[in-house]
Amino acid sequence: DILINQSPASLTVSAGEKVTMSCKSSQSLLYSENNQDYLAWYQQKPGQFPKLLIYGASNRHTGVPDRFTGSGSGTDFTLTISSVQAEDLADYYCEQTYSYPLTFGSGTKLEIK
Amino acid sequence: EVQLVESGGGLVQPGRSMKLSCAASGFTFSNYGMAWVRQAPTKGLEWVATISYDGSSTYYRDSVKGRFTISRDNAKSTLYLQMNSLRSEDTATYYCTKDYGSYFDYWGQGVMVTVSS
Repeated sequence: DILINQSPASLTVSAGEKVTMSCKSSQSLLYSENNQDYLAWYQQKPGQFPKLLIYGASNRHTGVPDRFTGSGSGTDFTLTISSVQAEDLADYYCEQTYSYPLTFGSGTKLEIK
Repeated sequence: EVQLVESGGGLVQPGRSMKLSCAASGFTFSNYGMAWVRQAPTKGLEWVATISYDGSSTYYRDSVKGRFTISRDNAKSTLYLQMNSLRSEDTATYYCTKDYGSYFDYWGQGVMVTVSS
């Protein structure tokens, strides 16, 4: 199974600050035949279901604000929020879709001061 | 608008069975794979099972293999999860999700399953 390590487990920032969180996989998620990384990011606000933010490591899903940016390739990936808003209070999960069983990271809890 | 509405959850005793359903609308159900993802109370997300657009292929996590069966009825735009021999560790909110190349681009509100005597 591909293991996903997410860090930090939690972080607290003020509105307007830049935030980065990391996701590292135990093996490469880059599929050489199409040069695609099979990594997604999800946002889960308190009491809500998760929502897809980023797929293919760097592609924003429909309707996702451009302050959310995914980057990285191979085994190291980053989700950046350029200017955090109060509404971004949530848990963030990354997921590898390179191979079954599909696996998620343990999540990063974002809190706003 | 894509809508996924789960039903069938509740309290069940260990060793018993339960069947979840997910009614889909707002997209051509028969064109997409579907999946179930669960989340134990205060825990993270865990993929459970995936079924291809036509039902010909299914995939399961090891801990549910042989106990859970994912299926679909394309005529009814409905996804199912038959859960047998339930264990306390199966207690979770179960989400029905639309599969977009193994990414989950739409999620239902979730249905709670509690396995307890």
